Amino acid sequence: DQQVKQNSPSLSVQEGRISILNCDYTNSMFDYFLWYKKYPAEGPTFLISISSIKDKNEDGRFTVFLNKSAKHLSLHIVPSQPGDSAVYFCAANLQGAQKLVFGQGTRLTINP
Amino acid sequence: DSGVTQTPKHLITATGQRVTLRCSPRSGDLSVYWYQQSLDQGLQFLIHYYNGEERAKGNILERFSAQQFPDLHSELNLSSLELGDSALYFCASSRAGIQQFFGPGTRLTVL
Repeated sequence: DQQVKQNSPSLSVQEGRISILNCDYTNSMFDYFLWYKKYPAEGPTFLISISSIKDKNEDGRFTVFLNKSAKHLSLHIVPSQPGDSAVYFCAANLQGAQKLVFGQGTRLTINP
Repeated sequence: DSGVTQTPKHLITATGQRVTLRCSPRSGDLSVYWYQQSLDQGLQFLIHYYNGEERAKGNILERFSAQQFPDLHSELNLSSLELGDSALYFCASSRAGIQQFFGPGTRLTVL
C-alpha cells in the first residue's frame, strides 16, 4: 500500500528554468510533509517542509505547495542550478505514529 | 555532514549469515530511526527508538532486530540473510519535531 507516490521516476530541466516535482498521498492523517534531496553515496538531506494547515512554504529558491483537497504537493525550484541534480524524496509524517512515509523518489537532472 | 554516523559503509556477506549495522545519532538527539532502501525504491521505515525504548515498528522482518544503548547509539541486527536483504540501510536521528537527519548509509550485499 503505497501511501505516498511520486509518479515521475525522472525529470530533466534546463539550467535557469523552473523544476516542478510532484507527490501524491492517500492518508488524511498525514500532518507534515517534507522534501529530502539525495546525492549518490550520501544520506538524504532535508530541504523544506510544510504543515498540513498551510498551503505554501518558501525558502529561497525552494517553494512547496500543498493542495489538501487533491492530496497533492509539489516542490518548485527556481531557478534550477546544476547542483540541484539529485534524487528528491517526498515524505509524510503520520500524526501520532512518529514515522515518515517516503515516496519512491524522482531523479532530477539539470542540463546546462 | 548531518552529524549522524553509520558503520560500516559497505558490507558483503553470504546468505544465512548475520550482520550488525551501527549508528551514532547527532549529539543530543534521543530518537533513532532505521530505514531500508532497496534498488530504486523509496525508503521503507523499519523501526524507531527513543531514549532506549522502542516507539514504533514498520515492516521489519522477524529476522531483523534493533536496540538503542544507554549512550544512544543504535544497532540493527540482520540474521539468516537472504539475497533480497541486499539494500542500503539508513539511520536517522531527531531531537524533537518532525525533521530527521540521515546518516550516509550502509550498503549491504548478500551473495
